[in-house]
Amino acid sequence: GAGVSQTPSNKVTEKGKYVELRCDPISGHTALYWYRQSLGQGPEFLIYFQGTGAADDSGLPNDRFFAVRPEGSVSTLKIQRTERGDSAVYLCASSPNRGGEQFFGPGTRLTVL
Amino acid sequence: QKEVEQNSGPLSVPEGAIASLNCTYSDRGSQSFFWYRQYSGKSPELIMSIYSNGDKEDGRFTAQLNKASQYVSLLIRDSQPSDSATYLCAVKKGAQKLVFGQGTRLTINP
Repeated sequence: GAGVSQTPSNKVTEKGKYVELRCDPISGHTALYWYRQSLGQGPEFLIYFQGTGAADDSGLPNDRFFAVRPEGSVSTLKIQRTERGDSAVYLCASSPNRGGEQFFGPGTRLTVL
Repeated sequence: QKEVEQNSGPLSVPEGAIASLNCTYSDRGSQSFFWYRQYSGKSPELIMSIYSNGDKEDGRFTAQLNKASQYVSLLIRDSQPSDSATYLCAVKKGAQKLVFGQGTRLTINP
């Protein structure tokens, strides 16, 4: 079946702009995660959704970052007033249930100029 | 001390040999451990999960867990050039989030 999909694959924006990154999890997966990966590092946790609610947003770096999952499927990560330090690959993962193995999408490479 | 530590490498192994990748973690209460493979420019791909002390084998891959020593390893037998990638160790923290090491870059030399 189809894996996790993410759009866009690449996003270039200017400092101060607003961006939205989209994640479509594997069909039927109830848990959805966002991670951020900088060059040469492992992914870092941002936020976890179980269904529609954000069950753990402890990894969001500051209040410029926000994520939603209004219908319990597709999720959007929103970044306001982007900064050059936000440049990274944003990865989405899903798992079939709480505590299950996590499967990653292809990622969105965000570049803030 | 980092929560999950890996030697960043690069680790260079001749084709056909055994590649051994190591990872240590700091939270003694951790219960779930994962190895992901990441090719350059691609996203992490789950290759092994392990939850109990001992060995778990899947094809050419063997994961080893020693909770007393807080150590998890991945062995790749009969290494192939296609195994050249960065290998990420991940430990589940709490119920959900994964904490990753920085990854070990593995190169298999033909």
